[in-house]
Amino acid sequence: DAMVIQNPRYQVTQFGKPVTLSCSQTLNHNVMYWYQQKSSQAPKLLFHYYDKDFNNEADTPDNFQSRRPNTSFCFLDIRSPGLGDAAMYLCATSRDLVGTYGYTFGSGTRLTVV
Amino acid sequence: KQEVTQIPAALSVPEGENLVLNCSFTDSAIYNLQWFRQDPGKGLTSLLLIQSSQREQTSGRLNASLDKSSGRSTLYIAASQPGDSATYLCAVRRGSEKLVFGKGMKLTVNP
Repeated sequence: DAMVIQNPRYQVTQFGKPVTLSCSQTLNHNVMYWYQQKSSQAPKLLFHYYDKDFNNEADTPDNFQSRRPNTSFCFLDIRSPGLGDAAMYLCATSRDLVGTYGYTFGSGTRLTVV
Repeated sequence: KQEVTQIPAALSVPEGENLVLNCSFTDSAIYNLQWFRQDPGKGLTSLLLIQSSQREQTSGRLNASLDKSSGRSTLYIAASQPGDSATYLCAVRRGSEKLVFGKGMKLTVNP
């Protein structure tokens, strides 16, 4: 089945130690998104890629970076994780920028910062 | 600015009940609306997608309706089961703007 896969499912990192989360997709969708979701809150969009074009949300901290080396893969890099960055990180894809066919989400990566 | 509201925030019901989950949005100029399910500690699973030109969509025991003029969508779950227990989120898209989520409604179906 075509899908969005996130690795790892759980990630524990030390305060200030760089960490990378991974997302891959077999849907061949043009757009890939990274969301942050904290407990009992709605997902918050961090940034997205449309093909190779990167779009950062205005309120996304500089501590968060992303890379999309090819259509299938997208990475979220947190340069210096703080305790406030502990959250569920969700990767999503859509075929086009307006979400004509909806969005497909991965299973998420739960990040713990110690 | 588009705002999406889901009330109540939580609902607990006995097994077998027919349920109506509500979603309201402030700007009716939406492109589409999508309902998701989220199990604890997991990602979002898409349930139904309704385009702005549609009135409803059905999948199995689920039926979602859309009334753009009143800024409302409802997700109807027939004959609820304990396996339906999860958080349900609705999200709307307006053109090229980002997807806007409600905070979700936590559903518990008791055996």
